[in-house]
Amino acid sequence: DARVTQTPRHKVTEMGQEVTMRCQPILGHNTVFWYRQTMMQGLELLAYFRNRAPLDDSGMPKDRFSAEMPDATLATLKIQPSEPRDSAVYFCASGLEYTTSGVYEQYFGPGTRLTVT
Amino acid sequence: RKEVEQDPGPFNVPEGATVAFNCTYSNSASQSFFWYRQDCRKEPKLLMSVYSSGNEDGRFTAQLNRASQYISLLIRDSKLSDSATYLCVVNGRSGGSYIPTFGRGTSLIVHP
Repeated sequence: DARVTQTPRHKVTEMGQEVTMRCQPILGHNTVFWYRQTMMQGLELLAYFRNRAPLDDSGMPKDRFSAEMPDATLATLKIQPSEPRDSAVYFCASGLEYTTSGVYEQYFGPGTRLTVT
Repeated sequence: RKEVEQDPGPFNVPEGATVAFNCTYSNSASQSFFWYRQDCRKEPKLLMSVYSSGNEDGRFTAQLNRASQYISLLIRDSKLSDSATYLCVVNGRSGGSYIPTFGRGTSLIVHP
């Protein structure tokens, strides 16, 4: 049963520290997404990769956040420096985009619960 | 106006009831639609895709109305285990890509 995996599952850090979250997408999927979920904002799209190329990161605060896919089996989301307002659950999802019509389904990892004090 | 809107609820229904949720979207160029289920402190899980002709999966029926720009989810014979938050997702065209936008979710509580 193929699944998206994320590490760490929980992270508590102090303001100003660097945080790196990792995601292993489902083998064969060609799209990867990073989301942030809070009670106030719901699920927000931060970054979107297709075939490892970044397609959209308009939802991501550029000054402190960065997202990369160094290879097809690893996606990373980095926050430097972290702030208390970054406290949230960060989900990675992967999917298969069948055609240029964009019909695809996303499968989510279990998330990283980040607390910045 | 938000791109994807849902009534947050909660919808509080007895076991066995039929309940329906709607989700409206503003991007007329939206291409594909989905319903996800999210349990408390868990990740969203795909419930079903929404096809133009409507589709059914057991007790769940999803429909799309492109003219009025909304999708719906109908749950028949509600079970206690259906209690969760139901998120709709709309993939809307933006430049050369299709960007997924999630609604805030509708909370369902099924009680004995």
